Amino acid sequence: GAVVSQHPSWVICKSGTSVKIECRSLDFQATTMFWYRQFPKQSLMLMATSNEGSKATYEQGVEKDKFLINHASLTLSTLTVTSAHPEDSSFYICSLEGKGYEQYFGPGTRLTVT
Amino acid sequence: AQKVTQAQTEISVVEKEDVTLDCVYETRDTTYYLFWYKQPPSGELVFLIRRNSFDEQNEISGRYSWNFQKSTSSFNFTITASQVVDSAVYFCALSGGYNFNKFYFGSGTKLNVKP
Repeated sequence: GAVVSQHPSWVICKSGTSVKIECRSLDFQATTMFWYRQFPKQSLMLMATSNEGSKATYEQGVEKDKFLINHASLTLSTLTVTSAHPEDSSFYICSLEGKGYEQYFGPGTRLTVT
Repeated sequence: AQKVTQAQTEISVVEKEDVTLDCVYETRDTTYYLFWYKQPPSGELVFLIRRNSFDEQNEISGRYSWNFQKSTSSFNFTITASQVVDSAVYFCALSGGYNFNKFYFGSGTKLNVKP
């Protein structure tokens, strides 16, 4: 399967600041990547689909101005949480699609907003 | 509407016991995919299996086996002779319809395997 990395693996920031999370495909050219969030002891919820060279597609209820996604190359997608608040604290996970519709997930980024 | 139900929130077994994790799904699509993922304490999801809706054959991979039954909309996962390293949260997921990219995850089952 594909190898996906995320950076940073964890981050603590103050309320009101912005945080950028990177998702890299190390061995696979991904035209499409996905961003999920997972609250403690809960399931994964798809936030948005990131398309290389075009605008991301956001799921209903996800604020696109708050969660900025940029997919500038076939191997890199970034998620920026703008003006973060404590309720944005979560585990953010990216993934990319394999050849058979399976998805390969990154190791996740734990965001804590104080 | 797409929905995945994992009714078992948490299961505890003793090492070497067999354990089955249940997954029931709902979909109106005739073509869909079902998946199982493992999420160990480190957090990274590990892909275990993909099944398409036209393939009801059961699959075995080492100590893992999967039973797909369209008649009951179930895709259950059995671990034989469980090991401590199997301790993790296991997610069942569904994708289908016009957008195979969109995954609907179940709530997960936490498996604790005790030595």
